[in-house]
Amino acid sequence: ETGVTQSPTHLIKTRGQQVTLRCSSQSGHNTVSWYQQALGQGPQFIFQYYREEENGRGNFPPRFSGLQFPNYSSELNVNALELDDSALYLCASSLREGAPLEAFFGQGTRLTVV
Amino acid sequence: KQEVTQIPAALSVPEGENLVLNCSFTDSAIYNLQWFRQDPGKGLTSLLLIQSSQREQTSGRLNASLDKSSGRSTLYIAASQPGDSATYLCAVVARNNDMRFGAGTRLTVKP
Repeated sequence: ETGVTQSPTHLIKTRGQQVTLRCSSQSGHNTVSWYQQALGQGPQFIFQYYREEENGRGNFPPRFSGLQFPNYSSELNVNALELDDSALYLCASSLREGAPLEAFFGQGTRLTVV
Repeated sequence: KQEVTQIPAALSVPEGENLVLNCSFTDSAIYNLQWFRQDPGKGLTSLLLIQSSQREQTSGRLNASLDKSSGRSTLYIAASQPGDSATYLCAVVARNNDMRFGAGTRLTVKP
C-alpha cells in the first residue's frame, strides 16, 4: 500500500461528456503528477502540481485541466471526451523539497469512453 | 526531448533463471531513475530508486545499476519466480521532476 488513493477505480462515459478524477496524495507529499497510460504503452505525463500550482505540462490539449487543493489532494478534469481518451489514468505523489524524490503511484482509474 | 527505451519488449523464462532488463535514455541530465512493476490493469509499484550520483541499488533479489554517462540502466532479477510475472517500467526524472517512462518489458516466468 502506497497511501495514494484514486477514485473512482472504473468509469464509463459517453463521447462529449466531462469527467473528474480524484487523487489523495500520500501523507507529507506536496507534489502530484498525473499520467495517461494507453494499453501496452508506458505512462505519458499530463501535468504536475506542486504546492497548488501547475508545475509542468506534457503534450496534452487544454481540455485536460487540473487542480491541487491545500491538503495536496488533486483532481484531473477532462472536457469534451473523445474515444481516444479511453485509458488508465495514474496519479503519483512525491515530496519535493528542492529536488524530486521517490514517486508513489495510486492504483489508477480506468476510463472508458463510448 | 528525453526518450526512454526498454529492451526487450517481452521476455519469457523458466522459473529459477536469472535475467536482465534493459533501459536506455537519450538525455543524461537526469536527477534519478526509478524502476516500477505493474500488474495487469493495476497501478505502479516502486521497486528501486537510483539517484544520479549512485551506481546501483539492491532490494532482495533485485539489483538495479545506472550508467548515466552512457544513458543506460539495467534491472537484474535473481532466481526468478512465477510471482515476478508482470510488466517492468523504468522512468527517468529530471531536476524539474519531469518523469518520462519507457514502454516497459512484459515478463513471464513459467513454473
